[in-house]
Amino acid sequence: NAGVTQTPKFQVLKTGQSMTLQCAQDMNHNSMYWYRQDPGMGLRLIYYSASEGTTDKGEVPNGYNVSRLNKREFSLRLESAAPSQTSVYFCASRTAVAKNIQYFGAGTRLSVL
Amino acid sequence: LAKTTQPISMDSYEGQEVNITCSHNNIATNDYITWYQQFPSQGPRFIIQGYKTKVTNEVASLFIPADRKSSTLSLPRVSLSDTAVYYCLVGDPLNTGFQKLVFGTGTRLLVSP
Repeated sequence: NAGVTQTPKFQVLKTGQSMTLQCAQDMNHNSMYWYRQDPGMGLRLIYYSASEGTTDKGEVPNGYNVSRLNKREFSLRLESAAPSQTSVYFCASRTAVAKNIQYFGAGTRLSVL
Repeated sequence: LAKTTQPISMDSYEGQEVNITCSHNNIATNDYITWYQQFPSQGPRFIIQGYKTKVTNEVASLFIPADRKSSTLSLPRVSLSDTAVYYCLVGDPLNTGFQKLVFGTGTRLLVSP
């Protein structure tokens, strides 16, 4: 019973490099989300996908792109990484009938040098 | 989404009861109150959710007064493992289409021996 799986767990990039953070859920949830969390801060929504085939911007989308590959997978791409994108990234999913209950992955810790 | 206000931090000792209050003056009629727990280096985890009066599960109790402008998360007899950040969120779970969650900075609970 994996829930929400994120890869990789850790990543170090140089400024200007690109990478894709992967997220997959096995709970047949419709909605998926990407958040970032900076030290001592709450989570901020980057992008979300209400259902397969749809994506939309959250609170802090600049510098990121997303792809809802299928119902299970939702990836986050940094095209040209910047030090300001150093953060912990969390993916989450939610079923349409859940009452504000999201299930989170373990996170990806990203450092951009 | 209704704005919430929580204490930034709280301290307690093992075996004590801890009550964390969240203020949400602008809560709407259809909004539910949801609490999440986040341990260091992990994603948030759903604890409890309620609409009015009292809700109890194996982890915590949630008290909501009649005017619903605040709520109190109660953790009975805390242990060291309850040291975490606790987030209060308010939103309409039945809002058609999509439900974003807005996480504030939460309440950092430190339990000491």
